[in-house]
Amino acid sequence: DTGVSQDPRHKITKRGQNVTFRCDPISEHNRLYWYRQTLGQGPEFLTYFQNEAQLEKSRLLSDRFSAERPKGSFSTLEIQRTEQGDSAMYLCATVFPTGELFFGEGSRLTVL
Amino acid sequence: AQSVTQLDSQVPVFEEAPVELRCNYSSSVSVYLFWYVQYPNQGLQLLLKYLSGSTLVKGINGFEAEFNKSQTSFHLRKPSVHISDTAEYFCAVTGGSNYKLTFGKGTLLTVNP
Repeated sequence: DTGVSQDPRHKITKRGQNVTFRCDPISEHNRLYWYRQTLGQGPEFLTYFQNEAQLEKSRLLSDRFSAERPKGSFSTLEIQRTEQGDSAMYLCATVFPTGELFFGEGSRLTVL
Repeated sequence: AQSVTQLDSQVPVFEEAPVELRCNYSSSVSVYLFWYVQYPNQGLQLLLKYLSGSTLVKGINGFEAEFNKSQTSFHLRKPSVHISDTAEYFCAVTGGSNYKLTFGKGTLLTVNP
């Protein structure tokens, strides 16, 4: 149990469909991050929240991507009109007061 | 901006042998450095971190790393590896308190019997 829960763990979809991933962080952590990891690569930063405010977005986050964190609790990452290039592991993380990112198990997206 | 170079994409070793996984970084500001391990189809688990203080950092599972500012390196070491250490290892850096990490491409450590 990592303390950061992600759902679903694996999603298979057809190109053009919309998908949504959910992250439930450790409750007292007010910073939440999304990363994307493609095969054979390290994770790449997508965006992060301080409570409900989205403070930074990577250029990797195209217009088809949107992330929200209503009420500063759980967060969702939606991808519209999925493309095969969106196939990746989407990782959520929060920050401990000791200064380390704590990652969830990830949501793996496969776009056919 | 920061960048991380993991010099070896794959490192095969025999069980009980020592191992070093190399990591070099570049940054124009002071850095925080991390090593994470990833087992297949799982998220990332923190092995150790350098934020400040002693340059020799000890982590979980017998791993340690040394921060070398002059060589901009943060190599990971273990004196004796086990089969269970087989995994992908990622070095990461952040230059600010926003903890936005930049990761290397990873090193696949394979421990053979």
